[in-house]
Amino acid sequence: AQSVTQLGSHVSVSEGALVLLRCNYSSSVPPYLFWYVQYPNQGLQLLLKYTSAATLVKGINGFEAEFKKSETSFHLTKPSAHMSDAAEYFCAVSEGNAGNMLTFGGGTRLMVKP
Amino acid sequence: EPEVTQTPSHQVTQMGQEVILRCVPISNHLYFYWYRQILGQKVEFLVSFYNNEISEKSEIFDDQFSVERPDGSNFTLKIRSTKLEDSAMYFCASVRTWGTFGEKLFFGSGTQLSVL
Repeated sequence: AQSVTQLGSHVSVSEGALVLLRCNYSSSVPPYLFWYVQYPNQGLQLLLKYTSAATLVKGINGFEAEFKKSETSFHLTKPSAHMSDAAEYFCAVSEGNAGNMLTFGGGTRLMVKP
Repeated sequence: EPEVTQTPSHQVTQMGQEVILRCVPISNHLYFYWYRQILGQKVEFLVSFYNNEISEKSEIFDDQFSVERPDGSNFTLKIRSTKLEDSAMYFCASVRTWGTFGEKLFFGSGTQLSVL
């Protein structure tokens, strides 16, 4: 069975600082991994996905994530936070034979201080 | 960019009442999903639907739940007799093809269901 753990339900950074949101997964087969963002009163929006190609994945809004099989991690980073990055971020995993059924982590709320 | 539309955005109901949550997936999409998020908990998969039948469902999706695509555009989730623990944000999602991860899963903005 697949599962996702996001360390830190709340992360606060200053504008311009590095953003690091942590995600660890478990999966019985090579996983597909995703990061979604949810802005207030909006749906889940795909930031980026890993599907067994390059281990460093670049997404929208300057975010990127690196798949590290040895650490079973898929941490999300952005070099310089912007106020508009304040949102809830969800890491998710899908096993290839489960189609697009996603298992989500608990989410991390990112706060950006001016 | 195309959108998945969910109505209503908020639904309040009494325990034991039936509710129907409505979704309009993106028009050329073929696979449809319902997820839910209880306040403070993870987003959980409920059910997937393809070709007018359920393709997968989770343990949460018991006999009190049903899904339907009544008219080729709407995709509904019905809860027959709501319980307090059904209070959650319900998300609808759709994708054009199954298992092709070059495709993006589109989510709606959710319906907040409150059972009193």
